[in-house]
Order: sequence, then structure tokens, then C-alpha cells
Amino acid sequence: NAGVTQTPKFRILKIGQSMTLQCTQDMNHNYMYWYRQDPGMGLKLIYYSVGAGITDKGEVPNGYNVSRSTTEDFPLRLELAAPSQTSVYFCASSPSATEAFFGQGTRLTVV
Amino acid sequence: GQNIDQPTEMTATEGAIVQISCTYQTSGFNGLFWYQQHAGEAPTFLSYNVLDGLEEKGRFSSFLSRSKGYSYLLLKELQMKDSASYLCAPSPQAGTALIFGKGTTLSVSS
Repeated sequence: NAGVTQTPKFRILKIGQSMTLQCTQDMNHNYMYWYRQDPGMGLKLIYYSVGAGITDKGEVPNGYNVSRSTTEDFPLRLELAAPSQTSVYFCASSPSATEAFFGQGTRLTVV
Repeated sequence: GQNIDQPTEMTATEGAIVQISCTYQTSGFNGLFWYQQHAGEAPTFLSYNVLDGLEEKGRFSSFLSRSKGYSYLLLKELQMKDSASYLCAPSPQAGTALIFGKGTTLSVSS
């Protein structure tokens, strides 16, 4: 099993550009999450989903959007990139409110 | 809401024992997770405590007191490879998401 797969691994964006961070899991987990981690800091929850068609805001949702049309996929959309969105983004999944399995992260730089 | 408090940094030497604390206040609680995160990598699961008391797993043990809103992670016989961040995360009630503390960065020296 691949587990949680994130693409791309690295990306440089210019201010104002848009992009989608992809996340897919093959474990048939209901719960999926997006976190961001700034250098030397902990994980901050951006959005999460408890099942297909259901999404909820986390601690820091501003500037991001998500969708969950299938159980497997949970893409994160940045519409107008800003330098404050420079961070490492982690996607994770779990069967319920239990142990989360993380992807390897996407390192995003906005210049 | 949730409030999670961990020490920011700790240092120790190889072979020593270190205890990393976590205090939490949450609305809805099922148990408590500890994750390890090496620099530049994704977090990986270490332990999950549901009941009060100490759970031992090799060199790592985790303790929980639900009434005090307190947990600790105990690392014995420290090795250089234990240098990492340790993240505490109270397990939420169903339908909500895992929120992490800021993490404790442990540096192990020889």
C-alpha cells in the first residue's frame, strides 16, 4: 500500500499565483486533514473532512479551499498565493478520530 | 476549544532518561497521542493512551492522567537518533480533527 501520497514534493510560487496541492490515500479512511508547519513550529490544522462531501475549517483556513468529492482524494487549493503561505504542508488520513497517517509533505515557497 | 502546553526545548545526553510533559484542556476527550517528527520528515505515531496509567513500549513509555489533563512521554537509554520533535495531540471526539501541541524539540548529545 502507498498510504498517503502528496504531490508535488516541492513548489515555488509567485505572489498572486494559484495552485492545488494533491493528496490521495488508498487505505479507505474516512477522515482526512491538511496541516501546515512553519519552520520550528508545530502543526496547524487548515481544513479537515470526516467523509466524502463533508469539509470543515480548522485553526487557520484563510486563504485556502478544499473539496472532498471522493473518499481517496482531498486537494488543497491556494487561490492567491502570499508570502505568509510559505510553509510545509502535510496531508493525513485516519479511519476515524484515531491514529493519523501522514504524507511526506509539500514544501511550498511563495516569492 | 483546545489548549495544549509542552516545553519548547529539552536537551539530554546519550544513555540518559528524559520525560516530556504535555498538559491539555479540551472539549471532548478520548485519549492522547504522541508523535515523533525528525527534522524535514513527516510525523510518525509513537503511542496512544486511552486509560490512566503508564504504557510501556520498548524504550518509550507514555503516561496519562485524565483527571489532571496531563501526559508525559518517557524516553529511556537515549540514542542520538532520538533527537527529534515530540508532538502531543489529545484525541478528539468523533467528528472533529486532531489538534497538535507546538511540540518539544529534544536534542541528544554524546
